Amino acid sequence: AQSVTQPDIHITVSEGASLELRCNYSYGATPYLFWYVQSPGQGLQLLLKYFSGDTLVQGIKGFEAEFKRSQSSFNLRKPSVHWSDAAEYFCAVDATAGANNLFFGTGTRLTVIP
Amino acid sequence: EAQVTQNPRYLITVTGKKLTVTCSQNMNHEYMSWYRQDPGLGLRQIYYSMNVEVTDKGDVPEGYKVSRKEKRNFPLILESPSPNQTSLYFCASRFLFGQGYGYTFGSGTRLTVV
Repeated sequence: AQSVTQPDIHITVSEGASLELRCNYSYGATPYLFWYVQSPGQGLQLLLKYFSGDTLVQGIKGFEAEFKRSQSSFNLRKPSVHWSDAAEYFCAVDATAGANNLFFGTGTRLTVIP
Repeated sequence: EAQVTQNPRYLITVTGKKLTVTCSQNMNHEYMSWYRQDPGLGLRQIYYSMNVEVTDKGDVPEGYKVSRKEKRNFPLILESPSPNQTSLYFCASRFLFGQGYGYTFGSGTRLTVV
């Protein structure tokens, strides 16, 4: 069965520290991969996506993610976190190119302390 | 401005009283979908629509109906709501670009069924 795992339910970092949010998936082929962010009371905003090509992708707000096929992972990183990054982050996977469903992970809530 | 608009943002209703959550997009996207978000479960797809008059079930369709009579609108209908449908609901439309695609999400509808 297809699955997306975000092992960290809640992460707390200090402002200015680096950040890495983990995402693992289980599918046979290389899927389409996404990271979304949800600020309190808001909808979901696309941070970045991977379809093919360079495995290190750059997104908005200074985020980047690296696709590692051997580890079935697509971890999200940011070198220096800002207080405004506090939100919930969702990894999503489309197992078949152009499929009709994004499978979401359960999310990681990020708290940023001054 | 390109957007997906859901209404209402908040809704409290009683068990069994039919309700409709509206979703409208102004981007002429063919594909639209509905998700529900529950703590610890991430987002799960309820229904999707590939185009006008073309709809299909997602992962959790029980207790929901949809219709797609025009491209811009994709309402979610709960004929007889029950407390286990208390959730945060998101409508999304999909846009294509280059070799891939992305989703635009609405701001969400928080539904409480008592």
